[in-house]
Amino acid sequence: NAGVTQTPKFRILKIGQSMTLQCTQDMNHNYMYWYRQDPGMGLKLIYYSVGAGITDKGEVPNGYNVSRSTTEDFPLRLELAAPSQTSVYFCASSPGRSNEKLFFGSGTQLSVL
Amino acid sequence: DAKTTQPPSMDCAEGRAANLPCNHSTISGNEYVYWYRQIHSQGPQYIIHGLKNNETNEMASLIITEDRKSSTLILPHATLRDTAVYYCIVRVVGAGNNRKLIWGLGTSLAVNP
Repeated sequence: NAGVTQTPKFRILKIGQSMTLQCTQDMNHNYMYWYRQDPGMGLKLIYYSVGAGITDKGEVPNGYNVSRSTTEDFPLRLELAAPSQTSVYFCASSPGRSNEKLFFGSGTQLSVL
Repeated sequence: DAKTTQPPSMDCAEGRAANLPCNHSTISGNEYVYWYRQIHSQGPQYIIHGLKNNETNEMASLIITEDRKSSTLILPHATLRDTAVYYCIVRVVGAGNNRKLIWGLGTSLAVNP
């Protein structure tokens, strides 16, 4: 199994541009998450989803949007990129509500210049 | 804010046990302790979790004090591949019974030959 797959691995954006970070998992997990990690820091939760059609905000949702039309896919959208969104983004999934054994993707390194 | 405190860095000799401490003095009775690690630039990897009993799996052992205010992750025979940042995390239960992992800064473990 591939697990959690993120694309792209690297991206440079100009201020004001938009992009979508893709995330897909093949483990049939209900829960999916988007985190960002700034240099030398821990992970901050952006958005999460408990199943197809259901999403909710995390700690730092401003400037981002998500959708969950299928169990497998959980894309993260940046509408108007800002330098403060320069970070490494990780997507993760977990089996269920009381199980926080998260499986992470390999990350997307994003720079906004 | 993170509910855990960890030393920023530690060293360990290859083949010896690595004991990583974590302080979580404000933990509530229903909050679990989780450990993840992050090898350079990769997505975090789940290690182990527990509530109040000691736990062991193929990767590590988790020792939680009787008052649950601190815990220790033990890697019994550290190898060079165990060099990573280790995160001690408390799973909090928020509004709507939502469970979330609150990530701190972690301990950077260097295993030396």
